Amino acid sequence: DTEVTQTPKHLVMGMTNKKSLKCEQHMGHRAMYWYKQKAKKPPELMFVYSYEKLSINESVPSRFSPECPNSSLLNLHLHALQPEDSALYLCASSQLDNNYGYTFGSGTRLTVV
Amino acid sequence: GENVEQHPSTLSVQEGDSAVIKCTYSDSASNYFPWYKQELGKRPQLIIDIRSNVGEKKDQRIAVTLNKTAKHFSLHITETQPEDSAVYFCAAPSWRETSGSRLTFGEGTQLTVNP
Repeated sequence: DTEVTQTPKHLVMGMTNKKSLKCEQHMGHRAMYWYKQKAKKPPELMFVYSYEKLSINESVPSRFSPECPNSSLLNLHLHALQPEDSALYLCASSQLDNNYGYTFGSGTRLTVV
Repeated sequence: GENVEQHPSTLSVQEGDSAVIKCTYSDSASNYFPWYKQELGKRPQLIIDIRSNVGEKKDQRIAVTLNKTAKHFSLHITETQPEDSAVYFCAAPSWRETSGSRLTFGEGTQLTVNP
């Protein structure tokens, strides 16, 4: 299995809602990532997990809360988002420390209304 | 941290011509250089990568070259086809003992292949 699977593919949520994005990989990668991507821009790093521990938080607002329950799963919990948080949210995974095989999931298109 | 610069930002070629996209990086310890193709509304897809122990890698119509001394690497697409039209991103990693590994992306190149 060489895929990173993300659910849901599309999500519309109100500013008072709580929702979660899910990501799963079975390539044995011990590094997992959350990115945010706006149109015509490169992916912007949000969080990095190494061996299921949070190793990088790029000063992301607390309304985004990551969680890594095990080596195959990564969640992003969303609460009280703003319309400007609307974007494509991408999960990725890679081999640890050398980034080999850095693979993106298909993404969740999030719209905050 | 790593700084990656990518040029050009837009590139328009005729079908059948070659396209070249160039990137420079700043961290001399970087050792892995992937290239991603992103079609409209889709995820970035890894199309080719190169590790620092080789200078060139080829996969059918796509090739990547790496010059570690000059700290630049390039994507070459030959015999371009309309379906090659997409945004292409280069990337380079950096690693810090305190925070682990991260991949830094270039700003992207919008490639348009005209029939």
